[in-house]
Amino acid sequence: SQQGEEDPQALSIQEGENATMNCSYKTSINNLQWYRQNSGRGLVHLILIRSNEREKHSGRLRVTLDTSKKSSSLLITASRAADTASYFCATEGGSEKLVFGKGTKLTVNP
Amino acid sequence: NAGVTQTPKFQVLKTGQSMTLQCAQDMNHNSMYWYRQDPGMGLRLIYYSASEGTTDKGEVPNGYNVSRLNKREFSLRLESAAPSQTSVYFCASRDRLYSGANVLTFGAGSRLTVL
Repeated sequence: SQQGEEDPQALSIQEGENATMNCSYKTSINNLQWYRQNSGRGLVHLILIRSNEREKHSGRLRVTLDTSKKSSSLLITASRAADTASYFCATEGGSEKLVFGKGTKLTVNP
Repeated sequence: NAGVTQTPKFQVLKTGQSMTLQCAQDMNHNSMYWYRQDPGMGLRLIYYSASEGTTDKGEVPNGYNVSRLNKREFSLRLESAAPSQTSVYFCASRDRLYSGANVLTFGAGSRLTVL
């Protein structure tokens, strides 16, 4: 069964606004990763946060991790139309496998 | 660098036909993966290979076989295709960004339709 569950399933915002997506998971993890998928394309890695980290930044991306609540959030600040994509969280729990959630579809309107 | 290359990009099969999806990576990665993506289901792991010569089942392996031909290539075979295998298939390989971490590089996907 899938590990991560993203929330919301879909999000529509205006350009310049911030977008926040959440991910919840069920079991202990070593790290949590976020990926982006543009329509009709493969997934692209965005950012990785390890279980002993609480927050990471990369450009306009901010990721938080709360292991006590088994949840993570991805914040995209000052969104652009080019940020329109689906965003997936993925968890790694010590095996060779990375388990993905069902994704959040983000639409940024110009 | 080409990264992860999948062929074919599109394929239509009839029920019962067989076919092989090919995947090759040029990044000298050890681990390779096959996922399928269905609407509303996200990505589900079919098989993976931690190193040349080894393969392991993922979440949804039934109806599929894999071959890790060498370090570069990892193929996925459907012996007798079924309509339930209509999906988009993604191959990925692992880049060890941090010790013990899996960061995947994906191919562009292969869209398979089984009639």
